[in-house]
Amino acid sequence: DAKTTQPTSMDCAEGRAANLPCNHSTISGNEYVYWYRQIHSQGPQYIIHGLKNNETNEMASLIITEDRKSSTLILPHATLRDTAVYYCIVRVALRRRDDKIIFGKGTRLHILP
Amino acid sequence: NAGVTQTPKFRVLKTGQSMTLLCAQDMNHEYMYWYRQDPGMGLRLIHYSVGEGTTAKGEVPDGYNVSRLKKQNFLLGLESAAPSQTSVYFCASSYSTGTVYEQYFGPGTRLTVT
Repeated sequence: DAKTTQPTSMDCAEGRAANLPCNHSTISGNEYVYWYRQIHSQGPQYIIHGLKNNETNEMASLIITEDRKSSTLILPHATLRDTAVYYCIVRVALRRRDDKIIFGKGTRLHILP
Repeated sequence: NAGVTQTPKFRVLKTGQSMTLLCAQDMNHEYMYWYRQDPGMGLRLIHYSVGEGTTAKGEVPDGYNVSRLKKQNFLLGLESAAPSQTSVYFCASSYSTGTVYEQYFGPGTRLTVT
């Protein structure tokens, strides 16, 4: 799976949009971009995933550049409950026999009141 | 559905003691995983299983053993606990088909080895 690079930490004011970047310059054509987050003392939570097109769900939007070498997770109206570590993961599309997720260190997002 | 549950929630062990962490899921998932999380290290995969009766090593398997005798349960064993195994342990499960790679995580077990 392709390697990802994320900033160690970010701050965002409550009510503003939080934009979390991720670089994945070695991504392959059959690899998806996934985002998870982990709120303090809880297990990680799936947020969203995408291949080429921008995606939106009830939690967030995912913007993937045309060359697919980077992406941005957008939380449109950040709240204090969005304070968490956000993980960007690149994965192949189809399940393999040795299927597993490798989490990196992620971005620690602080939502400021 | 209870989702993914872990037992116990907290445990303190002395060096050299053994214990087993239990993970149970009621979603009929084929795949199950054990991770550990240490401050500043993110999540690291210990062992995983792609089906009943099968297990495989992850990133940091040394000092741990696992078993998947029943599809709904995944056990993580520490035969001789060491202080370096002080950590928070998370179990997860996922479907075995489809292209959405969504793992469901348990609440975690906080283990301290003194």
